[in-house]
Amino acid sequence: DAGVIQSPRHEVTEMGQEVTLRCKPISGHNSLFWYRQTMMRGLELLIYFNNNVPIDDSGMPEDRFSAKMPNASFSTLKIQPSEPRDSAVYFCASRRTGTRLGSSYNEQFFGPGTRLTVL
Amino acid sequence: AQKVTQAQTEISVVEKEDVTLDCVYETRDTTYYLFWYKQPPSGELVFLIRRNSFDEQNEISGRYSWNFQKSTSSFNFTITASQVVDSAVYFCALSPPPEYNNDMRFGAGTRLTVKP
Repeated sequence: DAGVIQSPRHEVTEMGQEVTLRCKPISGHNSLFWYRQTMMRGLELLIYFNNNVPIDDSGMPEDRFSAKMPNASFSTLKIQPSEPRDSAVYFCASRRTGTRLGSSYNEQFFGPGTRLTVL
Repeated sequence: AQKVTQAQTEISVVEKEDVTLDCVYETRDTTYYLFWYKQPPSGELVFLIRRNSFDEQNEISGRYSWNFQKSTSSFNFTITASQVVDSAVYFCALSPPPEYNNDMRFGAGTRLTVKP
């Protein structure tokens, strides 16, 4: 089975440009997560979706960041305008979220990440 | 509030040594999940194990073993007979049940270097 797919794997852009990161979750998974990883702050949850609906975006740094999930197989994270401090690795993860405790419904599976550099 | 502490920032061992990575957590939930993820130099995050708070049985998978102790709020990870391929950053994580919310908290990670 294909894992979580992210594109691009690397992105270098100049300050002020718009950046769009893409994610395809594992088929059948109904929760999707966007994380950011930096040396200073570690892994931070930015936003997550359940059944394509954004549930919690409290981790989104500011209004320059936006995320969408138009269908169960695709999500985007957009930064506009980008700034050098946005440079990080952005991970997408997906999970099949169920309601039975003790089941295999809880672990998140991560994509390979997108390394973003904003000059 | 939930918190995960991995006090060991970096560990260096020689191949074939055993090594234990510590993880201490804080939560007010009575039901929760604990995880370990591996991040090799290539950068991806690889799921290793999930543990439920109501199951304190230790688990062994090949050279990997996990010791979950609710009394000390710890979920330690031991690699037996370490190999160079075990070199990676290892993250411990804590999550409430997914039907409550999805606030998974990661520790800062422990960088393990296994030298030949």
